[in-house]
Amino acid sequence: GAVVSQHPSRVICKSGTSVKIECRSLDFQATTMFWYRQFPKQSLMLMATSNEGSKATYEQGVEKDKFLINHASLTLSTLTVTSAHPEDSSFYICSALGRVLGNQPQHFGDGTRLSIL
Amino acid sequence: GQNIDQPTEMTATEGAIVQINCTYQTSGFNGLFWYQQHAGEAPTFLSYNVLDGLEEKGRFSSFLSRSKGYSYLLLKELQMKDSASYLCAVRDSNYQLIWGAGTKLIIKP
Repeated sequence: GAVVSQHPSRVICKSGTSVKIECRSLDFQATTMFWYRQFPKQSLMLMATSNEGSKATYEQGVEKDKFLINHASLTLSTLTVTSAHPEDSSFYICSALGRVLGNQPQHFGDGTRLSIL
Repeated sequence: GQNIDQPTEMTATEGAIVQINCTYQTSGFNGLFWYQQHAGEAPTFLSYNVLDGLEEKGRFSSFLSRSKGYSYLLLKELQMKDSASYLCAVRDSNYQLIWGAGTKLIIKP
C-alpha cells in the first residue's frame, strides 16, 4: 500500500536551533501534503496545506515565517521550524494525498517528536 | 462553522463490542473517515464511508447516515491492542479533512 516516510522521528535540540522535517511519499505522487501538530492528549491540529509547486496555505494562528514549508516535488515536502523555542516542542505529523480523490484516504507519516531544551 | 462531535472517552471489556459515535456539521460532504491512533504514534486509516449504510472490514465496521450527519465505528471481539484513540474526520466540499477531537477507548481485561 501507499507509504509516507517522515524523518527524523525524534529531535532534541537547544533553543534557537532551526529544525527541518522531511516528508516523502514513497509509492505515489502526493499533490497535496498536510502538516499537523499534536500536543499531548490533544487532537490533531492542522498547521498548513501545501500543493506541489505553490505556496503553502497556513491555518489561522500559525506563523508562516516560523514554520517554513516547501513542497518542491510530488514526493517531498519539508517543514522547517525556525529558531525553535520550548513552546514549539510537540509531535509533528505529515500527511499526503495523491491525485485521485474520492475514497482515497490521507496517508500519514510516523511523526516527528520535537523537544526543544 | 464546521463541527465534528465524538465522545471524549469510552471504556469496554476485552471480547465485547463497542460503538463509537460521530456527528458532524460541515460545509459539504465528500466522505467520512475513521482513523486509529495509538499513543505517541501517527494515525492509521481504518475505514471510509461516502454512501449511507454499513461498511464491514473484519472486526471493524463503520456506518453512515448522511441525512442525520451521523456515523459510528463498531469494534467487535475487542482486544487489548484496540486500546487507542479513534478519530472521525469528514472531507468537506473543498476536500479538506475536518477532524474530530478523537475518542479514547480503554479496554479492560
